[in-house]
Amino acid sequence: EAQVTQNPRYLITVTGKKLTVTCSQNMNHEYMSWYRQDPGLGLRQIYYSMNVEVTDKGDVPEGYKVSRKEKRNFPLILESPSPNQTSLYFCASSLGGNSNQPQHFGDGTRLSIL
Amino acid sequence: DQQVKQNSPSLSVQEGRISILNCDYTNSMFDYFLWYKKYPAEGPTFLISISSIKDKNEDGRFTVFLNKSAKHLSLHIVPSQPGDSAVYFCAASDSRLLINTGTASKLTFGTGTRLQVTL
Repeated sequence: EAQVTQNPRYLITVTGKKLTVTCSQNMNHEYMSWYRQDPGLGLRQIYYSMNVEVTDKGDVPEGYKVSRKEKRNFPLILESPSPNQTSLYFCASSLGGNSNQPQHFGDGTRLSIL
Repeated sequence: DQQVKQNSPSLSVQEGRISILNCDYTNSMFDYFLWYKKYPAEGPTFLISISSIKDKNEDGRFTVFLNKSAKHLSLHIVPSQPGDSAVYFCAASDSRLLINTGTASKLTFGTGTRLQVTL
């Protein structure tokens, strides 16, 4: 089954404790992206990757890092999480970086930073 | 600055009737528009899209209308069914960005409209 898998689905942690949210897709997609969803703000892009070793900032990259060492994986790293990063996070992938190719989303990761 | 706006946070419609969800945008460079549907505890799923060269696109019960001069698009669901109850996001992009600059087309999402279809 074609899917985007995120882990963990839920996480409560404390300020400053490094965490990684993993994202994996099995569709051989070149393009992957991370979004956060906040009330009243919709989905905002954090980082995206056009292909292996190619990443770039989205609209709200501050406080986040990503890496793309393999085509299927695109982890999101919070080196020193802060309460304003409490949010619902989605990973997405698509064939390429053209918006004509709809993105497939994971089921989300709810992060609470205390 | 919210470039894509969904001014109705929620909408309630009776089963069998038409649901109309609206979306406005401000960026005249946007030329491709998509609607995503999201159920609780799941990620958004693609529903339907439209290019700016068209003013209507239909897929079964779902039709998207685009009014470029008004910078407005709408999603019509006819007839509405209880399973359509979800949050609907519209999204817009400049699809030429990839060709022109090598930069991936970025999707700008609206804030979502929660549709409730009642029996």
